[in-house]
Amino acid sequence: EPEVTQTPSHQVTQMGQEVILRCVPISNHLYFYWYRQILGQKVEFLVSFYNNEISEKSEIFDDQFSVERPDGSNFTLKIRSTKLEDSAMYFCASSWMGINEKLFFGSGTQLSVL
Amino acid sequence: GENVEQHPSTLSVQEGDSAVIKCTYSDSASNYFPWYKQELGKGPQLIIDIRSNVGEKKDQRIAVTLNKTAKHFSLHITETQPEDSAVYFCAAPKTVNNNDMRFGAGTRLTVKP
Repeated sequence: EPEVTQTPSHQVTQMGQEVILRCVPISNHLYFYWYRQILGQKVEFLVSFYNNEISEKSEIFDDQFSVERPDGSNFTLKIRSTKLEDSAMYFCASSWMGINEKLFFGSGTQLSVL
Repeated sequence: GENVEQHPSTLSVQEGDSAVIKCTYSDSASNYFPWYKQELGKGPQLIIDIRSNVGEKKDQRIAVTLNKTAKHFSLHITETQPEDSAVYFCAAPKTVNNNDMRFGAGTRLTVKP
């Protein structure tokens, strides 16, 4: 089965630094997402992206966050100035359609902000 | 917006027994209810989903039931095996026809051999 791939698997950064998390969604999918999971807690929606623009975003996705599809294959999440509370597992996901469809998740990037 | 509650938070069963996990949702207009399985170190993986025009869906040992009147849906795993041990999440869209999925808090299922 095709997979969503994420790099790196672990990222350690200092508070206040910028980080970029990278994802390669499944090639024929049109919708892309970022979710995060703080240790032991539920999976939380951050943002969805379609046709080169954000289609939905949650309260968590503030001005410190941005997403980009710089080329035909990559999808990135940037956190401009990391805070301690940004430490979490970040999952990229993609789907063929955007509504009521199976999400394919990557294995995640564990972000640790020190 | 949707609020999804999931119970129990942990569930331990003997191999071969059945396991049932329940979720409730708040928005009566919600129309899509997936279940995801998350194994250690991996992302969630869809195992089954149900849409609001059906009451039950089955796929081998896994079934999902939906009660729209009561606003709850349940995951049923029969003849459990050790490899079923994982964290299971239910989800529902934040609002109808919205791709912001709201997840339950998760159920850690342990199947003892």
